[in-house]
Amino acid sequence: GENVEQHPSTLSVQEGDSAVIKCTYSDSASNYFPWYKQELGKGPQLIIDIRSNVGEKKDQRIAVTLNKTAKHFSLHITETQPEDSAVYFCAARHQTGTYKYIFGTGTRLKVLA
Amino acid sequence: DSGVTQTPKHLITATGQRVTLRCSPRSGDLSVYWYQQSLDQGLQFLIQYYNGEERAKGNILERFSAQQFPDLHSELNLSSLELGDSALYFCASSGGDGPQHFGDGTRLSIL
Repeated sequence: GENVEQHPSTLSVQEGDSAVIKCTYSDSASNYFPWYKQELGKGPQLIIDIRSNVGEKKDQRIAVTLNKTAKHFSLHITETQPEDSAVYFCAARHQTGTYKYIFGTGTRLKVLA
Repeated sequence: DSGVTQTPKHLITATGQRVTLRCSPRSGDLSVYWYQQSLDQGLQFLIQYYNGEERAKGNILERFSAQQFPDLHSELNLSSLELGDSALYFCASSGGDGPQHFGDGTRLSIL
């Protein structure tokens, strides 16, 4: 069935280093891939997204890349800061009218000062 | 602020009871989604409504039900509660082809 695998489950980096989180989706009909950041006690917040007709998108220190052939997409955070510490979720949205989202299992990112 | 409002923020009840969680979507959004997040777990999709009609169903238990009203707010009803139902319940809304935006959730604790 539909599935999104996310790795790693936990990630610790030194402040100023880069962090990369990877996701793989199974449904080739997926065409929209958002990334969410969830801080403690809060709901997931959209930080960046990419559509299937684009290979890369960047917003300041955050970038997302998509490889449709391999069904991979990745989140890249450069120059990490302590406030980047949170749980990050990737998701894939089905192309049909339901707009159903399948979420990855999350990555707990810890940025060490 | 995402614009999605969930009430109540916290709910404590006992096994066997029934509760109702409420969600007001962002202005103009026709789609509402419900998710369950257990401790340190991912987001499990429960159900989606679009303009008052059920659009997609996930792993929603038969003890759970939802509806979306004409003013587009939605309610998630959980009955015959069990200890394992303790979790965060999130509502998200979206409009057209746009992304989902999440509320801050309702924390449900079953004693």
